[in-house]
Amino acid sequence: GQQVMQIPQYQHVQEGEDFTTYCNSSTTLSNIQWYKQRPGGHPVFLIQLVKSGEVKKQKRLTFQFGEAKKNSSLHITATQTTDVGTYFCAWNTGNQFYFGTGTSLTVIP
Amino acid sequence: DVKVTQSSRYLVKRTGEKVFLECVQDMDHENMFWYRQDPGLGLRLIYFSYDVKMKEKGDIPEGYSVSREKKERFSLILESASTNQTSMYLCASSSLTGAGNTIYFGEGSWLTVV
Repeated sequence: GQQVMQIPQYQHVQEGEDFTTYCNSSTTLSNIQWYKQRPGGHPVFLIQLVKSGEVKKQKRLTFQFGEAKKNSSLHITATQTTDVGTYFCAWNTGNQFYFGTGTSLTVIP
Repeated sequence: DVKVTQSSRYLVKRTGEKVFLECVQDMDHENMFWYRQDPGLGLRLIYFSYDVKMKEKGDIPEGYSVSREKKERFSLILESASTNQTSMYLCASSSLTGAGNTIYFGEGSWLTVV
């Protein structure tokens, strides 16, 4: 079956530093989605990518979908304390959703 | 606004008790899901349902059952709670339109089994 690795599992950064999390799949993905879960909260949809090589930006967040549609990244420029949380990649096939293991981001003020 | 509501935010139950976790969505979504979330393991799918009275096992169905008698409601049942079922449980829903859907989560239910 599909195996997706999300790395790193944890990341501590100083406020103002950049942060990147990666998802790597053993098989081609039809789409990739990113979710953010604040501490004590629930995952909330951020964005979806469907095209090979697609890049989307949301303010300081940049999302990429690899050319082979087997990997994706989320990059945050100049982190802020509001960026704290766990970031999950996810994808769906048919009615099922699958999630990466998540990257927990801590931002040190 | 999209709304998925889980009936209990925090529960403490004894080993062997029967536990019901209720979830209601107001988006007329066909699909509903129950996940559990544990540190380092991400979100693991317990069961999902794509229609009333229909259910499919996810990755970790053992020790759980579900009920979907109405489209908007999806219940997770722990027939005999055990300490290894202490976890955060997330209900979610999505529409039935295939790949590229997004999924909406409830606030989560923190269950402690003692």
